[in-house]
Amino acid sequence: GENVEQHPSTLSVQEGDSAVIKCTYSDSASNYFPWYKQELGKGPQLIIDIRSNVGEKKDQRIAVTLNKTAKHFSLHITETQPEDSAVYFCAASIRVRGGGNKLTFGTGTQLKVEL
Amino acid sequence: SAVISQKPSRDICQRGTSLTIQCQVDSQVTMMFWYRQQPGQSLTLIATANQGSEATYESGFVIDKFPISRPNLTFSTLTVSNMSPEDSSIYLCSVVGIAKNIQYFGAGTRLSVL
Repeated sequence: GENVEQHPSTLSVQEGDSAVIKCTYSDSASNYFPWYKQELGKGPQLIIDIRSNVGEKKDQRIAVTLNKTAKHFSLHITETQPEDSAVYFCAASIRVRGGGNKLTFGTGTQLKVEL
Repeated sequence: SAVISQKPSRDICQRGTSLTIQCQVDSQVTMMFWYRQQPGQSLTLIATANQGSEATYESGFVIDKFPISRPNLTFSTLTVSNMSPEDSSIYLCSVVGIAKNIQYFGAGTRLSVL
């Protein structure tokens, strides 16, 4: 089955700096890569995703890059703010019958943005 | 995006008892899932809830321990049976919307077993 590794497990940055979280996956059939943000006491919230036919996607301060050959993808947050502090999960998935995706999650990165 | 209501939001239960968690979505969805998130850990898929038929369980999870129902397109329940302290976790309902093939999560049920 799919295996997703995520690094680093914790990341501390100064407000205004950039943060980068990296993930690798094992199954070359994976074709969808979402990123979730989970704040304390809440469920994961989708912040950005990328499909295997795209190399990069950007949404304001957040961007995701995908290298299919190397089987790794990364989340980039620029101009970090204190409200970016949370746990971030990457995931990789294979399309399954019924239209959904079977997600395998990384182990999470605790991001702390310090003033 | 789909709005997911999950009940209860938290509970403290005694060893050996069972708890049923409800998940209600405000719109029709294609797929519903149940995940477990142990304290400080990642998310692990328990099963896919299938409408009108038995759920599809992942390796390590069985129907006797985690019976699941999905009577219609917008509602599902997960029961944690014969609980032990090792079942203390966050249980999360997740759905895939019809309009966009995106997976959303509920706020979760925080379960503590004494």
